[in-house]
Amino acid sequence: EDKVVQSPLSLVVHEGDTVTLNCSYEVTNFRSLLWYKQEKKAPTFLFMLTSSGIEKKSGRLSSILDKKELSSILNITATQTGDSAIYLCAVNGLEYGNKLVFGAGTILRVKS
Amino acid sequence: GAVVSQHPSRVICKSGTSVKIECRSLDFQATTMFWYRQFPKQSLMLMATSNEGSKATYEQGVEKDKFLINHASLTLSTLTVTSAHPEDSSFYICSASGSTGYNEQFFGPGTRLTVL
Repeated sequence: EDKVVQSPLSLVVHEGDTVTLNCSYEVTNFRSLLWYKQEKKAPTFLFMLTSSGIEKKSGRLSSILDKKELSSILNITATQTGDSAIYLCAVNGLEYGNKLVFGAGTILRVKS
Repeated sequence: GAVVSQHPSRVICKSGTSVKIECRSLDFQATTMFWYRQFPKQSLMLMATSNEGSKATYEQGVEKDKFLINHASLTLSTLTVTSAHPEDSSFYICSASGSTGYNEQFFGPGTRLTVL
């Protein structure tokens, strides 16, 4: 059965720290992996990764995919309290059409 | 670009009534729309996938007669929770996917349903 596992489940850091969130997956005919940030409302799109080893970057956030290890990491440097959120990882396989399989999420809390 | 709206944002209703939630893609044509449900501190649970002009595909365990989905156009899908009960209280989120080929989904802001 296809699945997505995120770790850690929750994390508390201080402002300025760097965090690394992990996502591992098992999916038939992998097509893409997506990261979302969810605050109080619905998830907002961060990154979509399809190729191994190519880092995607947006400000203090970056992400990379390792297809050999079936995993991805999301890095946040110089964390701020506004980074506090649930970070969701999702994958899509060729057999799903457009469906995504979501992990349980990592709850990040950044303390000032 | 890629904005999805959802209406209403919050609804409170009495047990036994039906509630309709609308999901619109504002600046792109959504070939596929998805409906999710999320309980507190849990991840998104896919309820159904709908393609414009065809019947929705429901995930296992989701009652299609209870959660009616209509995807009448490339910019609008509706979810109707029929004969709502307190256990239907949840956060309902829609997402829309266009034809980029890589299946990005863009989420609406969600609807908080409370059934008394």
